Order: sequence, then structure tokens, then C-alpha cells
Amino acid sequence: GAVVSQHPSWVICKSGTSVKIECRSLDFQATTMFWYRQFPKQSLMLMATSNEGSKATYEQGVEKDKFLINHASLTLSTLTVTSAHPEDSSFYICSAIGQGGSQPQHFGDGTRLSIL
Amino acid sequence: GQNIDQPTEMTATEGAIVQINCTYQTSGFNGLFWYQQHAGEAPTFLSYNVLDGLEEKGRFSSFLSRSKGYSYLLLKELQMKDSASYLCAVKDSNYQLIWGAGTKLIIKP
Repeated sequence: GAVVSQHPSWVICKSGTSVKIECRSLDFQATTMFWYRQFPKQSLMLMATSNEGSKATYEQGVEKDKFLINHASLTLSTLTVTSAHPEDSSFYICSAIGQGGSQPQHFGDGTRLSIL
Repeated sequence: GQNIDQPTEMTATEGAIVQINCTYQTSGFNGLFWYQQHAGEAPTFLSYNVLDGLEEKGRFSSFLSRSKGYSYLLLKELQMKDSASYLCAVKDSNYQLIWGAGTKLIIKP
């Protein structure tokens, strides 16, 4: 089945650091990738949608200058949390979808980000 | 607005059957998905319904009624490992996925 790889799985760093998270579709071409954020015991919150070769579409309330998304190829998207602060600590999950309206989103394993 | 409703939490007994309901009001409909999410992990895909009726996959089945804006996920022969959150999501007319808040299922021995 479709596999999405997300790295790193866990990051602990100091406040002010920028953190890059990678999301790769391993066995299919992902026309669209999604970035989610999830706080403990809360539902998934879509942050942005990215299509290969174009700018990401951010959801309302998500700072595009703070959460930089690059979707450079059909198999790779990156999320960079710039100048991270403790309130950015969360579980970040990417997902990818291939062509076709019936295709489900396949999720990476998520990245747990802790900012000290 | 767009809305997906599912119960916040359900409890069931190991070996039993449980039905998790999902009702939706969305601008258009292009399919409904069920995902399973264990605590601290990413969601995994369970099922997809786009036509009315029942889709069966082993111990899990999913039902859809488009006229009623209603779906359910049926889990049979419950096992302890089925303790997880179950997320209902609907693709709207723009093919955007609208997520429910999830139903936390607790399985007791």
C-alpha cells in the first residue's frame, strides 16, 4: 500500500531555533500534500495544503511566514517552523494523496515537536 | 457552514460489536472516509464510501446514506487493540477533506 515517510519523528530544541520536517511519498506520486497540527486530545487541524510546484494554501489563522512549506517535487514536501517558541510545541503530521478523487490521504507517522 | 458530528466517546466490551455514527452537512459530497488513530500516532485509513450501502472489510464495515447525510463504522469482535479514536471525514464539492473531531473508543475486558 501507499507509504508516506515523515522525519524526524521527535524533535526537542531551544526557543528561537528553526526546525525542518520532511514528508516523502515512497511508492506513489503525491499531487497534493497536507500539513496538520494536533494538540493533545484534540482533533486534527489542517494548517496548509501544498501542490507540487506551486505555493501552499494556508488555512485561516496559520502564519505563512512562520510555517514555511516547500513542495519541490511529487514525492517531497517540507515544513519549516521558523524561530520556534514553546507555544509551537505540538504533533505535526503530513499526509499525501495521489491522483483521483477517491484516493484517501495517507499519513506519515508524525513529528512530535517540543520547544524548550 | 460545514459540519461533521460524531460522538465524543464510546465504551464497549471486548468481543462485542460497536457502531460509531457520523452525520455531516457539507457543501457537496465526494466521498466519506473513516480513519483510526491510536493515541500519539498518526491516523491510518480504514474505509471509503462514495455510494450508498455497506462496505465490508474483515471485522470493520462502513455504511453510507447520502440522502440522510449519515454514515456509521461497525466494528465486530472487538479486541483491546481497537481502543483508539475513529475519525470521520467528508470530501466536499471542492474535494477538500472536512474532518470530524473523532470518537474515542474505549474497550473494556
